[in-house]
Amino acid sequence: DADVTQTPRNRITKTGKRIMLECSQTKGHDRMYWYRQDPGLGLRLIYYSFDVKDINKGEISDGYSVSRQAQAKFSLSLESAIPNQTALYFCATSDSSGYADTQYFGPGTRLTVL
Amino acid sequence: RKEVEQDPGPFNVPEGATVAFNCTYSNSASQSFFWYRQDCRKEPKLLMSVYSSGNEDGRFTAQLNRASQYISLLIRDSKLSDSATYLCVVPSSDSGAGSYQLTFGKGTKLSVIP
Repeated sequence: DADVTQTPRNRITKTGKRIMLECSQTKGHDRMYWYRQDPGLGLRLIYYSFDVKDINKGEISDGYSVSRQAQAKFSLSLESAIPNQTALYFCATSDSSGYADTQYFGPGTRLTVL
Repeated sequence: RKEVEQDPGPFNVPEGATVAFNCTYSNSASQSFFWYRQDCRKEPKLLMSVYSSGNEDGRFTAQLNRASQYISLLIRDSKLSDSATYLCVVPSSDSGAGSYQLTFGKGTKLSVIP
């Protein structure tokens, strides 16, 4: 079984709809991250969480919110989806043992907003 | 200088060739660096970490030049399976105590041709 899972893997939705992307991990890591990847722009950090009570905005948090329900679960919500949020979304985890830790990525969610 | 900059490629090389990618970074305080590999439509996966002047793992060698602020990745005896996008990753400039945030380059695409 994969250590970092994401659901759904693909989603097509309409402008204005609320969407939740979910991430679960079995690695026992404290830190979790949400990124989006767009062609030509690379990976950009949306939100990150160092533990259940710690949530931080990343580079591009506008239009997104997150919830850290448990150490193993980190959800990303788009309250009112818009077409420029069409992208590939990745969740990642890392542990807290070092200065800059290896991040382990989930398989990604491909989101299309029409 | 952009935080992390890579030549986007594509690099098209024959099997068995040696190929090198360069990456420049702006955060002179960075202590660690990473190369991730990303296959088409898949999640990024760690290829190598670089904490000192360099690192070697089989056919792959990563070198660090702190004075010039660049990192290189050398792949010897290229295989078809090396075809992927290679992401240069550096701790972010503006992350506070402990650089847990990573800045990803846009990636260099490699195609190894039979």
